[in-house]
Formats: sequence, structure tokens, C-alpha cells
Amino acid sequence: GAGVSQSPSNKVTEKGKDVELRCDPISGHTALYWYRQSLGQGLEFLIYFQGNSAPDKSGLPSDRFSAERTGGSVSTLTIQRTQQEDSAVYLCASSLQAGLSYEQYFGPGTRLTVT
Amino acid sequence: GDSVTQMEGPVTLSEEACLTINCTYTATGYPSLFWYVQYPGEGLQLLLKATKADDKGSNKGFEATYRKETTSFHLEKGSVQVSDSAVYFCALSVVAGNYQLIWGAGTKLIIKP
Repeated sequence: GAGVSQSPSNKVTEKGKDVELRCDPISGHTALYWYRQSLGQGLEFLIYFQGNSAPDKSGLPSDRFSAERTGGSVSTLTIQRTQQEDSAVYLCASSLQAGLSYEQYFGPGTRLTVT
Repeated sequence: GDSVTQMEGPVTLSEEACLTINCTYTATGYPSLFWYVQYPGEGLQLLLKATKADDKGSNKGFEATYRKETTSFHLEKGSVQVSDSAVYFCALSVVAGNYQLIWGAGTKLIIKP
């Protein structure tokens, strides 16, 4: 079946512009996670959704970052007024439920470059 | 806070050599432990996991044992292949953290024929 998909695969933007990154999880997966993979910081958690609600936003690095999930499916991560330090690969993962028995399946990522 | 430390790479081995990639962790509570692999040009894939002390996870000839007394989860393989060349990430998750994954820095493995 279809895996987690993300779009765009690559995004180059100018400093100060806003960007939107999209994640389509596996159908029926209720838990959705965003992570960021950067050279300086490695892999880090950003935000977790259970259904449409985000009970854990603790990883968002600043108030320029926000995310939403609609219909318990597609999620959008928005970065406002992008900075060069936002350059990274943004990864989305979904799992059937949140829990130790449920594997997180990862999308291919969106590579964001801020110039 | 919870954290994962794994050996820095790159690790370069010849085909059929034995592999160990060290991973240690710090966590409150009782974490589950994971190894993920990222092959060149591909996304992260779960390689193996263990959810309680003394559990052994295994897949594709790789093994790792959850050692609570040494807070370790070292990845091992008896005979590596060129196709094992990838970046390997050790990670943990805890209930209190909504099962988010906390990651090690990753270890790049290069296998030469």
C-alpha cells in the first residue's frame, strides 16, 4: 500500500519568506509526528498529533513554526519568516496509534534550503 | 532529560567483517529502544526494536540486546555486506513523551568489497 508521502521533496526559499510543507500519512494512522534532520542538531522531534489535536508541541523551535492536521489525515508544517538556520530535512512519520507496539513509518522528507 | 549517545562515524569495514555500533541511553522510566537505518537516497526504516530489559531485537542478520544494567543497546552483525552501507540511528521512546523518538547522532557505516 501507499506509504507516507511528503511534498515538496525539495524547497529553496529566500530568507524571510513563508513556507508550507505537507505530509500525507498512511491511511488510517491516527498518530503523526514531525521531525527535523539538520547537520548541526541531528534528528529532533518537532510536534506530535493524535487525530487532529496536537497534545505535544514541545519541540517546535520558535513561534515562527506552526502545524495543523485536518480530517485526521493530511498535516501541514508552516514556517514563517524563514531563517538560514531553518535549513534542514523535515521528516514526517505516522503510526497506527501512539504506542510502543506501533512502528513509526517515515516519509522521504522535504529538504528545505533557505538562502 | 532523555538522551541517546552512539559512537561517531564513519565506521569503515571490509566485507564479511564483524560489526558493533555502540549505543547508550539516559532515560527516566522504562524506554523502548530502536535502531533505524537510512540507506543512501532513501527514508528512515525501522531495523529492529526492543521494548523491555533483556529483550533481543533482530532483523536482516543484525541484533541488539536491551541491557538495563549498562543502559546500552549495541548493534551487532557477524558478517557485513556492501549492501549494509548506510547511516544507523539508535533511538528511544517513552510513554511520558507521547512516544516521540529521541535520537542518537547517527553512525555512517561504509563497507568495502
